[in-house]
Amino acid sequence: KAGVTQTPRYLIKTRGQQVTLSCSPISGHRSVSWYQQTPGQGLQFLFEYFSETQRNKGNFPGRFSGRQFSNSRSEMNVSTLELGDSALYLCASSLGLAGLIEYNEQFFGPGTRLTVL
Amino acid sequence: TQLLEQSPQFLSIQEGENLTVYCNSSSVFSSLQWYRQEPGEGPVLLVTVVTGGEVKKLKRLTFQFGDARKDSSLHITAAQPGDTGLYLCAGGSSASKIIFGSGTRLSIRP
Repeated sequence: KAGVTQTPRYLIKTRGQQVTLSCSPISGHRSVSWYQQTPGQGLQFLFEYFSETQRNKGNFPGRFSGRQFSNSRSEMNVSTLELGDSALYLCASSLGLAGLIEYNEQFFGPGTRLTVL
Repeated sequence: TQLLEQSPQFLSIQEGENLTVYCNSSSVFSSLQWYRQEPGEGPVLLVTVVTGGEVKKLKRLTFQFGDARKDSSLHITAAQPGDTGLYLCAGGSSASKIIFGSGTRLSIRP
């Protein structure tokens, strides 16, 4: 069974540009969650999509957006990039809503390392 | 706002030693999880504890959920270099979100 895949693995952008990251969940998983990981702030929740609908959102500005397609694949977009957006962006998939952790195990992808210059 | 604080932030010990990592909060969590993350990879789930006072063992790793469901600990016996990594605790919140702790970076010296 293939795991969660994320593309690209590495990305370098400049301030003001926008970027789109992609996540393919484990087959059959309907929930995809996105996280930002930085040395200073740790792992922070961005948003969760379930059956193409955003079900939960973290405390990030509107420059961060996402969507989920009918095949459960998800994309995350960051517009008007800032230096502080440099981070490892992780995607995780689960069968059901990720917050119900006693019932659903989240499987993480390897992440996309975004560097903003 | 529910927060999870982990201690210590960094830990470097000799192979064969024992260690304990803590995950604390002022809030009650319905359940807690522990993950390990290795460089270049995403976190991997180690265990989920759901009952206050619950103790779970995974080979040399022992996980405990506090009676009041506000804290958890991870104890590693006879640490090995393969235990090196970032250990993260995570709690299921009232808003159906997962909240991650600040992390403990563990290094085991051969």
